[in-house]
Amino acid sequence: NAGVTQTPKFRVLKTGQSMTLLCAQDMNHEYMYWYRQDPGMGLRLIHYSVGEGTTAKGEVPDGYNVSRLKKQNFLLGLESAAPSQTSVYFCASSFEGMNTEAFFGQGTRLTVV
Amino acid sequence: GQQLNQSPQSMFIQEGEDVSMNCTSSSIFNTWLWYKQDPGEGPVLLIALYKAGELTSNGRLTAQFGITRKDSFLNISASIPSDVGIYFCAGGGGSNYKLTFGKGTLLTVNP
Repeated sequence: NAGVTQTPKFRVLKTGQSMTLLCAQDMNHEYMYWYRQDPGMGLRLIHYSVGEGTTAKGEVPDGYNVSRLKKQNFLLGLESAAPSQTSVYFCASSFEGMNTEAFFGQGTRLTVV
Repeated sequence: GQQLNQSPQSMFIQEGEDVSMNCTSSSIFNTWLWYKQDPGEGPVLLIALYKAGELTSNGRLTAQFGITRKDSFLNISASIPSDVGIYFCAGGGGSNYKLTFGKGTLLTVNP
């Protein structure tokens, strides 16, 4: 069972470069999320989606964009990377709602130099 | 917004010992979740609690949903080296639209 799959697992970007993080889930979940995890800050919600074709801002959305063109995929984009975006990024999905059990991918470690 | 206080921040124990950690909040939650994160991996759901007073076990792990709906605890019995990792609580529902995560308890088990 694949669950939630993220690609890539590691990436190094130069300041100002752009990239897209890919997330795919095979559990037919309606809800998908992007979090970032930083030391001492815990998990913070960047953007989320409550279904195909929908997206919404979370706690820390600035500098990121997302798209949910297909139910199983949720893409996180950085248009112009900044060192402050160095972090570990997690995609997650849930079936019933935003306050219920979320299943996480393995994470993407992004370094912006 | 809602905040969770998770304690302790870290624990160093000997193999075979029991462990207890907890999360508290000033606000009520309708859901309490406990996750474990191994180094370099994503959080993995251990136990989900949906009812105040509920006590649920998963192998050597036991978690309870506090009767006030403002707290939850996780116990690990007879710890083993593979229990090492970061344990997170998460609260759902109440006045917030999303899950609120604690900052984690780092558990180290000495064999």
